[in-house]
Order: sequence, then structure tokens, then C-alpha cells
Amino acid sequence: DTGVSQDPRHKITKRGQNVTFRCDPISEHNRLYWYRQTLGQGPEFLTYFQNEAQLEKSRLLSDRFSAERPKGSFSTLEIQRTEQGDSAMYLCASSFVREGNIQYFGAGTRLSVL
Amino acid sequence: DQQVKQNSPSLSVQEGRISILNCDYTNSMFDYFLWYKKYPAEGPTFLISISSIKDKNEDGRFTVFLNKSAKHLSLHIVPSQPGDSAVYFCAASGGSNDYKLSFGAGTTVTVRA
Repeated sequence: DTGVSQDPRHKITKRGQNVTFRCDPISEHNRLYWYRQTLGQGPEFLTYFQNEAQLEKSRLLSDRFSAERPKGSFSTLEIQRTEQGDSAMYLCASSFVREGNIQYFGAGTRLSVL
Repeated sequence: DQQVKQNSPSLSVQEGRISILNCDYTNSMFDYFLWYKKYPAEGPTFLISISSIKDKNEDGRFTVFLNKSAKHLSLHIVPSQPGDSAVYFCAASGGSNDYKLSFGAGTTVTVRA
């Protein structure tokens, strides 16, 4: 098992463009989470899935953000009409129900909006 | 609002000595606490956790202490090694069906040779 995989690692885009990030969780992990981290802060929760169902969304997740997890495997996070304030590290994590709430993180996708 | 606080942004310790990292929380519903370690250009790596039914959990050089009445936890690293130099995050979750983690802002630990 190679752990949580995120793609791309870096994304530079112009304001107003749409971007999509992908996360492949650890196999057999039924929960998948998205977090956002800005400089000098800890990760902030955005949303999470149990299997294919999106069970919770943070109020940080504006209507420009959408996340999916078709078939309960990989997940995508899309940001429409990007703004400079969206520049951050986007982290994905996964967990297995039998391991309590230990979440395993990917290396993240760093987004820069110019 | 910041429900998990790490008030020390940085800590410098000599190799072989003890590192003590502190974390405070405000949400009394939190019942599970974790520490993560992060190197540059990598995601956070799980280190150790503790449930609110315990007041101590130990794993090798790492020990986490929980004081529920004070809403405070700490991570002790003994002895500190150069490879321990990283950013350490405290995180918490709580309540049934509440799986999201709330993180502190992190403490950067530097272990001096």
C-alpha cells in the first residue's frame, strides 16, 4: 500500500479559472476527508465522505467548491472561478472505521492563484 | 473560532533532552486527541493518540498526557533526536459521528546537536 496519493502536487492558475484535484485514499479506507491549510495555520476541515456519501461540509466550503467520491473510491475537489484567497495547500486524508479516528494524510496539492 | 490552540509557535531543544509540546482546547465535546508530525513538502504523519477515557498513552519515545479538567494535553519526546525536528500539530475530534479533526496552528521543534 502506497498511502494516500494526491494529484497534482502543484497547480498554478489564473484567477477565474476552474481547477480540479484528485485524491486516492488508502485502499479499504471507507472515510475520506478534505482539508485546507494556509501558511502558519493547521489544516482546516472542508468536507468528508463515508463511502460515496458526503456526510459533512464546513461553512468554509463556499458554493464554488464541490467534492465528489464516485463509487466510494477516489475523490475529486473542484474549485470554480478561483480567487486569490483560494491559494493554499489542499490536503486529503483517509481513515478506516476500525482504527477509530486516525486519519492518514497525503502530501497535498499546493494551489497558487495568480 | 480556534477550538484547539498551540500557544508556542516554536521550541528549541538540545539533542538527548526532553521536548514538551503543549495544547489547549475549548470544546468540551472533544473526546479523542491526536498528534501529527509534519516535515516540509510532506503531509502530516500520525504520531500518537489518546482517548478521553485515559490520561496517558505511551509509544516508544513519545508520551501524550491528557488533563480533561484543564482541557490540556501535552506531548513529551524523550530523548529528542535530530530527526524529530519538524512541525507538530495537535488535533481533536469529538462526539459520536463527528469525525472531522480540529487542528492547532502547530509548534516548530528544532533539535540542536
